[in-house]
Amino acid sequence: AQTVTQSQPEMSVQEAETVTLSCTYDTSESNYYLFWYKQPPSRQMILVIRQEAYKQQNATENRFSVNFQKAAKSFSLKISDSQLGDTAMYFCAFMHNQAGTALIFGKGTTLSVSS
Amino acid sequence: DTGVSQDPRHKITKRGQNVTFRCDPISEHNRLYWYRQTLGQGPEFLTYFQNEAQLEKSRLLSDRFSAERPKGSFSTLEIQRTEQGDSAMYLCASSGLAGGPEETQYFGPGTRLLVL
Repeated sequence: AQTVTQSQPEMSVQEAETVTLSCTYDTSESNYYLFWYKQPPSRQMILVIRQEAYKQQNATENRFSVNFQKAAKSFSLKISDSQLGDTAMYFCAFMHNQAGTALIFGKGTTLSVSS
Repeated sequence: DTGVSQDPRHKITKRGQNVTFRCDPISEHNRLYWYRQTLGQGPEFLTYFQNEAQLEKSRLLSDRFSAERPKGSFSTLEIQRTEQGDSAMYLCASSGLAGGPEETQYFGPGTRLLVL
């Protein structure tokens, strides 16, 4: 069975600094998707960034980028120029490349950004 | 399009009562998912619909849980004879056609259930 591991329960960073959240996963599949979702306190989960496993190029979305290492089964999220609004729980998630499959989530990393 | 909506946002009930939650997906999405999230944990998959057909159910979905999507639009999740262990956030997500960005699941705000 696929598993997703986030080894950092909590992280903190100062405004404007850069922080990296770690994620590793276990799968025997070669074709799949990886996601980072953000869940602010008492607010809904939103998609931060998505990576297709067949793409070697790392995905980027404005201040958010990933370091996808397929052989190592590692998928870290880098947040540059951190802002107070980045304070949230961040979840790494895995999904098979198959229609209608469920997301498998890690336990999350709580990120606190302070001024 | 206002995204995925869920109703109610909060529900407090007594043990043994039945509760029903509703999810309205993004209008053009034909796939709908239910997840459960307990405090400090990531969401766990419960069940999945493609149009009106329920195609997959997790073993987490006990006999007391039932989900429907009668016309392939909104979905309901019912919990019968609630137990204190059912207290959690129930999340709904939807996605479009397979492949490409349409496979991404978009989440609603969730229904937080507290069973006393």
